[in-house]
Amino acid sequence: DAGITQSPRYKITETGRQVTLMCHQTWSHSYMFWYRQDLGHGLRLIYYSAAADITDKGEVPDGYVVSRSKTENFPLTLESATRSQTSVYFCASSRPGQDIGQPQHFGDGTRLSIL
Amino acid sequence: GQQVMQIPQYQHVQEGEDFTTYCNSSTTLSNIQWYKQRPGGHPVFLIQLVKSGEVKKQKRLTFQFGEAKKNSSLHITATQTTDVGTYFCAGEGYGNKLVFGAGTILRVKS
Repeated sequence: DAGITQSPRYKITETGRQVTLMCHQTWSHSYMFWYRQDLGHGLRLIYYSAAADITDKGEVPDGYVVSRSKTENFPLTLESATRSQTSVYFCASSRPGQDIGQPQHFGDGTRLSIL
Repeated sequence: GQQVMQIPQYQHVQEGEDFTTYCNSSTTLSNIQWYKQRPGGHPVFLIQLVKSGEVKKQKRLTFQFGEAKKNSSLHITATQTTDVGTYFCAGEGYGNKLVFGAGTILRVKS
């Protein structure tokens, strides 16, 4: 899915530091999502956005902040990183569904390690 | 909140054997989606089921949606090494959000 890119692909940082993960999509999808993936938990939704300037919490939002000033970008910030936030983070996007759901298209992920 | 349970967590099969993963929701689903994630990769959409009792096939993969729209299954006939990966089901919640099952990791011995 070349239309959605995440950066960086890998990041190592220390506890207490601020970290921002970037997500950019070129499809003009209105919906964007951030997930974390941990073994045994599958994909858990952190935050999502239905459009520019509209964001909402998912299942595990604590410790994270998002913004969406432009449709194509949806950065995720860890304001003060903790070891429990070590994970693989995926960004995804989709068109809005009306009567039925829409597939989500995922980026390649960011593998984040917090020491 | 809505929960989606998926079993088994892990399955190791001999090449040529069949494989099935099951998904159960705590609530009635409007639709269910299935994704595949290759080792080291990202989830890729496979299919969506919408209607009660719906069955869809993609080559050796057969997807079913239960009559009550609370459960689903993915069956792979005669597995191949290219089938290796993690298979996720996901039920749609409010606002285009998906609730993912924990996934089933499939390993295939050649």
